[in-house]
Amino acid sequence: DAGITQSPRHKVTETGTPVTLRCHQTENHRYMYWYRQDPGHGLRLIHYSYGVKDTDKGEVSDGYSVSRSKTEDFLLTLESATSSQTSVYFCASNLGGGETQYFGPGTRLLVL
Amino acid sequence: RKEVEQDPGPFNVPEGATVAFNCTYSNSASQSFFWYRQDCRKEPKLLMSVYSSGNEDGRFTAQLNRASQYISLLIRDSKLSDSATYLCVVNDGTSGTYKYIFGTGTRLKVLA
Repeated sequence: DAGITQSPRHKVTETGTPVTLRCHQTENHRYMYWYRQDPGHGLRLIHYSYGVKDTDKGEVSDGYSVSRSKTEDFLLTLESATSSQTSVYFCASNLGGGETQYFGPGTRLLVL
Repeated sequence: RKEVEQDPGPFNVPEGATVAFNCTYSNSASQSFFWYRQDCRKEPKLLMSVYSSGNEDGRFTAQLNRASQYISLLIRDSKLSDSATYLCVVNDGTSGTYKYIFGTGTRLKVLA
């Protein structure tokens, strides 16, 4: 299995507070992704990165920002959490474009 | 029309049965295709990539039909441990982007 970790694994927070999720990979993969998974929607792309400091939006990027200052770390920030952002968040990475994605174990976020 | 469509199931089959899943995709420029397996409350894990000529891995066979824009997964001699959700994944296909589009998944239950 690829070495991808996420932290925290579980978080409960209140509406209006900022939240940062971290993804760390040890595979030297160029591409990294943040997805959210909700019942009935499958995995939806929030943001992705194609290199250090190079990021782009996915289909559900509103309310989220990302940063990638090192190859191995990709941070997802909810600037002001809302209840609609309660979800399971998965990070993924892959070496080259179009190649197999490997996923982290997920972060379960509950916004009250 | 969704970009990647799968029958959500559930497919309930007895042990030893053969079961097939189909997935259709809308972007004719897509070049990479995958089947992932996801167990309850876990991250998706690669089951197999799908190649143009079709490919087999033990009891699992994947096929690609570019003309009709669908991929399939055949599972022979089903085991209880095959119970999971199977995700069809297609790369975006747009030049210069490396996004992946996920189907919502097909649930399989193998019954004793």
